[in-house]
Amino acid sequence: GAVVSQHPSRVICKSGTSVKIECRSLDFQATTMFWYRQFPKKSLMLMATSNEGSKATYEQGVEKDKFLINHASLTLSTLTVTSAHPEDSSFYICSALPAAGAYEQYFGPGTRLTVT
Amino acid sequence: RKEVEQDPGPFNVPEGATVAFNCTYSNSASQSFFWYRQDCRKEPKLLMSVYSSGNEDGRFTAQLNRASQYISLLIRDSKLSDSATYLCGAGANNLFFGTGTRLTVIP
Repeated sequence: GAVVSQHPSRVICKSGTSVKIECRSLDFQATTMFWYRQFPKKSLMLMATSNEGSKATYEQGVEKDKFLINHASLTLSTLTVTSAHPEDSSFYICSALPAAGAYEQYFGPGTRLTVT
Repeated sequence: RKEVEQDPGPFNVPEGATVAFNCTYSNSASQSFFWYRQDCRKEPKLLMSVYSSGNEDGRFTAQLNRASQYISLLIRDSKLSDSATYLCGAGANNLFFGTGTRLTVIP
């Protein structure tokens, strides 16, 4: 149980374009999902908390107009990187809480974004 | 100050050795503590939760020290397959992670 998928697993795009990443909880409903970014050999950095049916909560230093988050259903959250730049190239990972009151997060397999 | 701090290592240990990692957290209101394992270029996978009373799962033992605000992970009888990066997570509503500790088990 507690399976989380992400799509795409890998994407290469040109500077200035936008990229949408999907995060799905496959066998449970997730009212809360999280989006992280991880640069090579660095720690996971929490970008934002995505709550179903409400606006995402962004961490300090994360531009909400650049990283658009939509949590339209209990099983799907999307992250759109708008006007991507090479410095946005990173490993983007989502995670989900499997139940209200649960604390364990289960991670998706990640999306490796390369902006050329 | 970082929310969660870990010694990045690397720890290189022979097969069969016992190895311990520590992790400190800054937010005294943290309620949830976990150890995750992350293999190269993969997502983190939950290894175990950390409870106040300590908990053990096979060769792995996790401890929490609230007074000193640190959690630990002990791996006994290391296997080659234990080679990975171990991330600790701590938080209240959100989890914050350390940089991870790289472990390599050598034949």
